[in-house]
Amino acid sequence: AQTVTQSQPEMSVQEAETVTLSCTYDTSESDYYLFWYKQPPSRQMILVIRQEAYKQQNATENRFSVNFQKAAKSFSLKISDSQLGDAAMYFCAYRSYNTGTASKLTFGTGTRLQVTL
Amino acid sequence: DSGVTQTPKHLITATGQRVTLRCSPRSGDLSVYWYQQSLDQGLQFLIQYYNGEERAKGNILERFSAQQFPDLHSELNLSSLELGDSALYFCASSSSNSEQFFGPGTRLTVL
Repeated sequence: AQTVTQSQPEMSVQEAETVTLSCTYDTSESDYYLFWYKQPPSRQMILVIRQEAYKQQNATENRFSVNFQKAAKSFSLKISDSQLGDAAMYFCAYRSYNTGTASKLTFGTGTRLQVTL
Repeated sequence: DSGVTQTPKHLITATGQRVTLRCSPRSGDLSVYWYQQSLDQGLQFLIQYYNGEERAKGNILERFSAQQFPDLHSELNLSSLELGDSALYFCASSSSNSEQFFGPGTRLTVL
């Protein structure tokens, strides 16, 4: 079974600065997807970014980018120019690729990000 | 707005009772997933339906059951409720082989 580990329960960043959230995972599969989801105080789960394991290029979405190291099974999220609205719980998630129509997400325990003025 | 709707938003009930949570997926999505988010267990996958059929099962208790109807909406039934069932229950939907979009969740409180 796949596992996802987020070793930073809490992180803090000053507004306009850059912060990196860590995620490692364990799998024996070669093809899979990795995601970062954001959960603000409203509790809504919002997809931030996704990465396909077969792609060498790191995914980028505006101020959000990932550092995907397949051999090390590491998938960190970098938030640049942090904004107050980035304060939330961030979850790393794994999904198998070759499962046909069965594609559950396995989540890490989350990292709570605080953004200070 | 993800396009996934869940009702009710909040539910307060007593131990031993039975409740039904409802989910309507995004238009065109055939897959519906149910997840439970609790303080001690984190976010856990419960069950998935695809076009009306059960496709995958996770850590779902025998007291819990789900179904997906011909119009693709899904219901999660929780029975013989215990205090430990208090949690946020999410529904998510996806089209084949794509990311999952989450509903706003139903917060269940068992007293």
